[in-house]
Amino acid sequence: QQPVQSPQAVILREGEDAVINCSSSKALYSVHWYRQKHGEAPIFLMILLKGGEQKGHDKISASFNEKKQQSSLYLTASQLSYSGTYFCGTEKKLSGTSYGKLTFGQGTILTVHP
Amino acid sequence: ETGVTQSPTHLIKTRGQQVTLRCSSQSGHNTVSWYQQALGQGPQFIFQYYREEENGRGNFPPRFSGLQFPNYSSELNVNALELDDSALYLCASSLGANTGELFFGEGSRLTVL
Repeated sequence: QQPVQSPQAVILREGEDAVINCSSSKALYSVHWYRQKHGEAPIFLMILLKGGEQKGHDKISASFNEKKQQSSLYLTASQLSYSGTYFCGTEKKLSGTSYGKLTFGQGTILTVHP
Repeated sequence: ETGVTQSPTHLIKTRGQQVTLRCSSQSGHNTVSWYQQALGQGPQFIFQYYREEENGRGNFPPRFSGLQFPNYSSELNVNALELDDSALYLCASSLGANTGELFFGEGSRLTVL
């Protein structure tokens, strides 16, 4: 079943912060985050493998609450380059590894204005 | 730049025809996954190939089939095209068991008339 992302769209001014949430009804092995700009390939942002894990690079970070089957992506001090559609992708809890078989959410459109 | 290239970038087919889409993965990536992305939606997993064998399939009928070759290239074949097959088809390569990061190509935009 597809994870649910919220909000569906966000409009920001440069420098503002945003949070994008991803919820699943199934027990998760991992959560991935990708950003896709119009007409371009989705680009990997980060993967969270352990419950409670928080990862980040630059001003983008994420958390994973394994118990609640939820992940949140935090964008701080947003830049124009952050504009795009953000997707969470989830992997179900299975024995062994099953990397790459992701179920993606419907996406959150982020627009950053000057 | 992800190092993954797909061809063709755009194509138009008519209902009932067959199509082959191609993907060239990063060198050394032994796993390739194919996704279908309808307009305004997230990518939907079609299947994955690991070392030239199918390694999992999503909820797609058998008329969607694939191949992976030793030179890190792969194909997605769709037979008996239907109007609902119109979508962006993305391939994503990865190093398999050691990392979950997917490297996506820019996709092939298929329109079925």
